[in-house]
Amino acid sequence: QSALTQPPSASGSPGQSVTISCTGTSSDVGGYNYVSWYQQHPGKTPKLMIYEVSKRPSGVPNRFSGSKSGNTASLTVSGLQAEDEADYYCSSYAGGNSLLFGGGTKLTVL
Amino acid sequence: QLQLQESGPGLVKPSETLSLSCTVSGASISSSPYYWGWVRQPPGKGLEWIGSIYYSGNTYHNPSLKSRVTIYVDTSTNQFSLRLSSVTAADTAVYYCARHPCLVCGGNFDYWGQGALVTVSS
Repeated sequence: QSALTQPPSASGSPGQSVTISCTGTSSDVGGYNYVSWYQQHPGKTPKLMIYEVSKRPSGVPNRFSGSKSGNTASLTVSGLQAEDEADYYCSSYAGGNSLLFGGGTKLTVL
Repeated sequence: QLQLQESGPGLVKPSETLSLSCTVSGASISSSPYYWGWVRQPPGKGLEWIGSIYYSGNTYHNPSLKSRVTIYVDTSTNQFSLRLSSVTAADTAVYYCARHPCLVCGGNFDYWGQGALVTVSS
């Protein structure tokens, strides 16, 4: 099993939208509608932002949305705010009762 | 309010066994239909799922670590624990314990401990 592939970095200006991709295979991302996204600020613990591809836990702003097409899942942050600057990680069920994380994307708000 | 707290040695020698415990407060491990998992993060790197234990005692492991990982629950202390054998410098990481409501749904880790840095060095 290899980690899911994410771009190392992404950026956008306040108010803009940014999309972060998470690419896997038909054995993980493409095979199940079970992709999650986590936000991690420096020195902090990860926070669940999206689960089951597009569902938001209570308290997560609707500026955060998720989608999936084929073997690639995406996290879109609309109306970028300064506090959105963080690392973002995707994860997916990978079959056989196992989980995979992505390598992470550092989101910079310009 | 559910809280998780990791504890254990911060320094482990190469080839030895890393042992960490996670104390759960605010819920009983044995009565909650949840999974209790371990996730690690090497310095400056990404997250890696190590394994999880279901409240019933069934365990699940990352295939890449499976032969070295043991996860078990101590219901008397409301803790679950991780043992990782034959460690090397590559096992140096912040180790998080976390709760998740399911495994096949992709994890959905919703409560996390603060993390414990474990360094492997002689």
